[in-house]
Amino acid sequence: DGGITQSPKYLFRKEGQNVTLSCEQNLNHDAMYWYRQDPGQGLRLIYYSQIVNDFQKGDIAEGYSVSREKKESFPLTVTSAQKNPTAFYLCASSIGTGTSAEEQFFGPGTRLTVL
Amino acid sequence: AQKITQTQPGMFVQEKEAVTLDCTYDTSDPSYGLFWYKQPSSGEMIFLIYQGSYDQQNATEGRYSLNFQKARKSANLVISASQLGDSAMYFCAMPYWDSSYKLIFGSGTRLLVRP
Repeated sequence: DGGITQSPKYLFRKEGQNVTLSCEQNLNHDAMYWYRQDPGQGLRLIYYSQIVNDFQKGDIAEGYSVSREKKESFPLTVTSAQKNPTAFYLCASSIGTGTSAEEQFFGPGTRLTVL
Repeated sequence: AQKITQTQPGMFVQEKEAVTLDCTYDTSDPSYGLFWYKQPSSGEMIFLIYQGSYDQQNATEGRYSLNFQKARKSANLVISASQLGDSAMYFCAMPYWDSSYKLIFGSGTRLLVRP
């Protein structure tokens, strides 16, 4: 079955540590996205990538980094510079045709907690 | 700038009844669209329905329909014959162009279906 996988489901981090969240898709989609969700709020865009080896900052990129070396993979690193990283992180992908009607498909999410 | 507002933090509905979830938007784009997503307690975002501003008829997908009123800038989701499995968070989202299409999300409405 085609879809998006994220790992791990739960992640605990000590202050000052970098952690990397995995996102893999087998939908053959060109575009991939990372969102952050805080309790009781909607999703906010962290980074997005329209094509391999290219990515752009979203609305809340500070303290985060990404790479897009393969079409299927878009890992997100939460660095120690991110002041309040405890949140639910969702990865998404879309075909990448550039139309407004393009549906984004989401992974199951990773819940990150800073201890 | 685009803005999405969901004014109902929480809603109750009796099983088998219909419920309307409100979404208002603000955009200066002449052509735009609206998405609705469902987020169960497990966390993944599930696409429900989409409508473009130039679509002549309100979109319908099974028990979901969009009550799209452009003059009021509202795109309310109607769920008919509510089921217990409809209990979830519901998000309205609008695509906007900023070097590529991205989604801006509302803060969501938590729906609880009572047996």
